[in-house]
Amino acid sequence: DSGVTQTPKHLITATGQRVTLRCSPRSGDLSVYWYQQSLDQGLQFLIQYYNGEERAKGNILERFSAQQFPDLHSELNLSSLELGDSALYFCASSPRPGGTETQYFGPGTRLLVL
Amino acid sequence: AQSVTQPDIHITVSEGASLELRCNYSYGATPYLFWYVQSPGQGLQLLLKYFSGDTLVQGIKGFEAEFKRSQSSFNLRKPSVHWSDAAEYFCAVVGAEYGNKLVFGAGTILRVKS
Repeated sequence: DSGVTQTPKHLITATGQRVTLRCSPRSGDLSVYWYQQSLDQGLQFLIQYYNGEERAKGNILERFSAQQFPDLHSELNLSSLELGDSALYFCASSPRPGGTETQYFGPGTRLLVL
Repeated sequence: AQSVTQPDIHITVSEGASLELRCNYSYGATPYLFWYVQSPGQGLQLLLKYFSGDTLVQGIKGFEAEFKRSQSSFNLRKPSVHWSDAAEYFCAVVGAEYGNKLVFGAGTILRVKS
């Protein structure tokens, strides 16, 4: 158990809908990362937050957005969902934002868009 | 373009046999290098990491990896594989040319036969 929690574990929804994925980092970790894992794209970095501020952006679609709240939990919002958004979404956390920091991964949220 | 290559999609080894998983990266300088393992239905767990210094790095679960600058490689090894090692293994790098974000290889699925 990494100490990172993600809810829900599974999500089934329809095209065009909007969903919110939630992540609670390990106690004391200030940085949160979101990743998408799909069969065709592999594991891709989406976005990083540090202490409430956006720190780095990866291949995140404009239909997706994220935020980190004062209590350091983070939410990833996916809107206008398409079939291709079906994937496993991971959250990770680290104490600080630097590249040498070990990222601790949550168990993921599996999203299925029908 | 900067990339991380894991040339073997699947590898099957017998229990008790030795294991080597290959990882090559494309990068101008020495990046920070990581190996993660993902068991079915689980998040990613860090096995080991290399930033500098001794090029042979010891990790958890009896794994080690060797950084070879001349070959741009960071191969993961284990002298004797256990059935519980069956999982997917990801090599990842962080470096300025990757935008200081974690970039993953495509993964290698390890099957262990008894």
